[in-house]
Amino acid sequence: GQQVMQIPQYQHVQEGEDFTTYCNSSTTLSNIQWYKQRPGGHPVFLIQLVKSGEVKKQKRLTFQFGEAKKNSSLHITATQTTDVGTYFCAGPTSGTYKYIFGTGTRLKVLA
Amino acid sequence: NAGVMQNPRHLVRRRGQEARLRCSPMKGHSHVYWYRQLPEEGLKFMVYLQKENIIDESGMPKERFSAEFPKEGPSILRIQQVVRGDSAAYFCASSAQGSTGNEQFFGPGTRLTVL
Repeated sequence: GQQVMQIPQYQHVQEGEDFTTYCNSSTTLSNIQWYKQRPGGHPVFLIQLVKSGEVKKQKRLTFQFGEAKKNSSLHITATQTTDVGTYFCAGPTSGTYKYIFGTGTRLKVLA
Repeated sequence: NAGVMQNPRHLVRRRGQEARLRCSPMKGHSHVYWYRQLPEEGLKFMVYLQKENIIDESGMPKERFSAEFPKEGPSILRIQQVVRGDSAAYFCASSAQGSTGNEQFFGPGTRLTVL
């Protein structure tokens, strides 16, 4: 079945360093969504990408959707302690209403 | 505008008991998704419902688990005869439209512990 993998699984960075998480799907996706989950919290929607090669920015966050629509990345510039949490990508399975969530990347930011 | 509400936030059950989890979607949303999350793991899709209809239950175990979303009232995820392996966080999410490509708003989750 469809799989969505993320790397790395964990990332520790010093505050001010950059961070990138990569999302790879075994199948082509019609769109991809990114969510953030703080420790002990619930997932919060960040963004959705639809077009091949699309790049969107939200302040220090840059999201990219691959040309083949099978991979995506999230890059955070100059991390802050408020960026701590787990970042998930999610993509829909073809022909269904089901979103497959990636394995997640847990980010820790050291002050 | 209140967000997605789930109750209870924490639920403790003994093996063999029933667990009933409730989810009230955001106002104006008629599509509800249930997910399960084990500690340190990702979200696993369980079921997608619209008002009075189950659209996709392919992620939900065939036995002991059931879900409903009645015309009136919250969506209910019911787990009968719970076992220790059912211990997890159960999140529901709602969206304004059911077709893929719409933002899902998540509730705070119900943390189920089976003793």
